[in-house]
Amino acid sequence: AQSVTQLDSQVPVFEEAPVELRCNYSSSVSVYLFWYVQYPNQGLQLLLKYLSGSTLVKGINGFEAEFNKSQTSFHLRKPSVHISDTAEYFCAVARPQGGSEKLVFGKGTKLTVNP
Amino acid sequence: NAGVTQTPKFQVLKTGQSMTLQCAQDMNHEYMSWYRQDPGMGLRLIHYSVGAGITDQGEVPNGYNVSRSTTEDFPLRLLSAAPSQTSVYFCASSYRQANVLTFGAGSRLTVL
Repeated sequence: AQSVTQLDSQVPVFEEAPVELRCNYSSSVSVYLFWYVQYPNQGLQLLLKYLSGSTLVKGINGFEAEFNKSQTSFHLRKPSVHISDTAEYFCAVARPQGGSEKLVFGKGTKLTVNP
Repeated sequence: NAGVTQTPKFQVLKTGQSMTLQCAQDMNHEYMSWYRQDPGMGLRLIHYSVGAGITDQGEVPNGYNVSRSTTEDFPLRLLSAAPSQTSVYFCASSYRQANVLTFGAGSRLTVL
């Protein structure tokens, strides 16, 4: 069975600073990896996904993530954050042949961007 | 706009009352699901459906009931509400193998 660990439950940063949100997964087989974002009082929306190919994945709003198979990680990065990036971020893992019901979410990381 | 519509957005119930959270999608997605979100717990799958007439249990199904009579609709029923069911509920849908979920805006339920 797969699992996802988001190493930080809360990450406070100042505006225009870089940020990295960490995600590690465990799986004995190949995986698909996702980052979702939840803005205050909203549902989740897809930020980016890794299915195959290039290990560096670019998403919306200037975010990117790097798939590292040897370290079983999929950390999310942004070089310069804005106040509007304040949200909760969820890492998720799925098996390529599994259905959406097999998607496993991490517990989330709350990113707070301060002026 | 296409998407997932949840109603109601807010609901307060007394212990023992029943209610139904509605979910509708207009993207012709085969897969629909219900999650609950609690602080520090992330998202936990309650029930899901891979097509009309087919439902199955997720991680935390107790106290909830679902049915899928059409592709578009997937209501979640609370049979006898308990304070432990106070949570934010999200409906999500996708194509069967896509793994990319489209979420509704959520329904905040408080059980007194």
